[in-house]
Amino acid sequence: AQKVTQAQTEISVVEKEDVTLDCVYETRDTTYYLFWYKQPPSGELVFLIRRNSFDEQNEISGRYSWNFQKSTSSFNFTITASQVVDSAVYFCALSEAGNQFYFGTGTSLTVIP
Amino acid sequence: EAGVAQSPRYKIIEKRQSVAFWCNPISGHATLYWYQQILGQGPKLLIQFQNNGVVDDSQLPKDRFSAERLKGVDSTLKIQPAKLEDSAVYLCASSLEGQLPYEQYFGPGTRLTVT
Repeated sequence: AQKVTQAQTEISVVEKEDVTLDCVYETRDTTYYLFWYKQPPSGELVFLIRRNSFDEQNEISGRYSWNFQKSTSSFNFTITASQVVDSAVYFCALSEAGNQFYFGTGTSLTVIP
Repeated sequence: EAGVAQSPRYKIIEKRQSVAFWCNPISGHATLYWYQQILGQGPKLLIQFQNNGVVDDSQLPKDRFSAERLKGVDSTLKIQPAKLEDSAVYLCASSLEGQLPYEQYFGPGTRLTVT
């Protein structure tokens, strides 16, 4: 079974639109960590955020925000006022207590100017 | 601060040949990871080192893949013999050591094509 599910394979938005990338995870551990990474066309994965399972506060960083809901096992990522530079593949990842890392299959975001 | 270095960037080999990839992590990062990323998929962890020791290699196909990290710094991943399905990007990442899973810093990857 997939530990991390990113149901949206590809999304296209017009510049300045808001977009939300969904991430649903599965774990039996009570302590775990969730991550988002960005993979631009250059290929190098870039860390965006880490969240631990005990901190359900939403986080905002500039145009980026994250909504963590344990009740639905979701960790969604919203980009406000999208820009062309946001075009990339975005990966959600889960780390369980044993430090195993599981990445989702990614969501390819295209921002059209 | 220098990032994670990997070489070569591209490699084309025929099936049944051998290939090796090299990774130099960020200075001071005790944890090193090798991932396989097949086109259109997310990275899959192959092996994780903490200093010299292996933390997890449960998804490493040990009949053909091997990895080592001598002196707790550089690491080499080898495939022998290669199969067509090994065509992928091989990513190396490193992170700080600690109880928390710290964010990983990724290298540019090595794109392997097996023909």
